[in-house]
Amino acid sequence: DVKVTQSSRYLVKRTGEKVFLECVQDMDHENMFWYRQDPGLGLRLIYFSYDVKMKEKGDIPEGYSVSREKKERFSLILESASTNQTSMYLCASSTQTSGRIYEQYFGPGTRLTVT
Amino acid sequence: KQEVTQIPAALSVPEGENLVLNCSFTDSAIYNLQWFRQDPGKGLTSLLLIQSSQREQTSGRLNASLDKSSGRSTLYIAASQPGDSATYLCAVISGANSKLTFGKGITLSVRP
Repeated sequence: DVKVTQSSRYLVKRTGEKVFLECVQDMDHENMFWYRQDPGLGLRLIYFSYDVKMKEKGDIPEGYSVSREKKERFSLILESASTNQTSMYLCASSTQTSGRIYEQYFGPGTRLTVT
Repeated sequence: KQEVTQIPAALSVPEGENLVLNCSFTDSAIYNLQWFRQDPGKGLTSLLLIQSSQREQTSGRLNASLDKSSGRSTLYIAASQPGDSATYLCAVISGANSKLTFGKGITLSVRP
């Protein structure tokens, strides 16, 4: 069965802290993604990765960075957390066939609150 | 820039009703379209994926159709049940980077 896991379901951090959100998939997928979801704004892509050590900016990369040292793991880093980064963070993965990204599978989400 | 629209934002129906959820997109040059379900506070569960060469996909009581030329997809739910209550999101894969663009979802409530 397809599985994407995220390190925490709920997280509370203080302004200015460095925050790590971890995502692991067990499907040997090439592609991994980080989204944030906010009421009224929907899901927005932060960063994605097509391969190990490879990353590309999504629609809202400001204030975030990512790391992909192993194929199965994709980390989202908030260098200095701010209150406007309070959100639901969703990780996803997908395989890639003939250069096209196929079905995306999502993790359970991390609800991050920055105080 | 691809934009995905789902209208209405919320829908309430009595149990047993057959219903259709609509999704429209502005750029018809898509690779795939995917329908998701999201329960409150949870992640997204993939329901159906339609490739650009396909017209529809079926899974149990769910049927999704795709009309690329008109930029529309529908999700048909037969004999709705209270357990179908959730938010349903439509997303398309398009563009040079094959990015997934989401609609804002339709929150469905099925009344017993």
